[in-house]
Amino acid sequence: GEDVEQSLFLSVREGDSSVINCTYTDSSSTYLYWYKQEPGAGLQLLTYIFSNMDMKQDQRLTVLLNKKDKHLSLRIADTQTGDSAIYFCAEISGANNLFFGTGTRLTVIP
Amino acid sequence: DTAVSQTPKYLVTQMGNDKSIKCEQNLGHDTMYWYKQDSKKFLKIMFSYNNKELIINETVPNRFSPKSPDKAHLNLHINSLELGDSAVYFCASSQWGEPPDGYTFGSGTRLTVV
Repeated sequence: GEDVEQSLFLSVREGDSSVINCTYTDSSSTYLYWYKQEPGAGLQLLTYIFSNMDMKQDQRLTVLLNKKDKHLSLRIADTQTGDSAIYFCAEISGANNLFFGTGTRLTVIP
Repeated sequence: DTAVSQTPKYLVTQMGNDKSIKCEQNLGHDTMYWYKQDSKKFLKIMFSYNNKELIINETVPNRFSPKSPDKAHLNLHINSLELGDSAVYFCASSQWGEPPDGYTFGSGTRLTVV
């Protein structure tokens, strides 16, 4: 669970879709998560997906999971300026511990 | 009511001092954690406590010691503070064996060592 990787930066125009990618390490992870961190704030759980699912949709958020490639993505439709934040993917690994990716800083350009 | 609360929110102190950060959760969770977020925003788990027993310690210097007086509290004590300890420290809690809910995080304590 130590090397969960993400691209560090992503910029999109307001109204476009954002896709944030993550590569995780533990093939036995049962749940995978997306957290959002706004400037100066804590971490807010956005959504999660169970490992036997390929896709999960929740309003503007779509999570895709490719277990074979250990690849997780988060798509945000109709991105708004309020979506500007750092997004962390995370996997449950080992003794129920949550390991975070490196975080992707999303900047939404008005 | 705040689910996971940490105090203080900001802490500025000199090198060599000893300090504590407090954390309390009112969710009835049985496991609590401390994470460190460095200046590059990388988040690393430091400790977790389940039913008052330490169950993980990820290469953290022994200057850091978690103390849990009861299952609603997990405080972090840091001795002989060093410049490299400057970071944001997050407390979190969860219910062991119920991963779908993930963790609930506090709002963080920004520690600055000068």
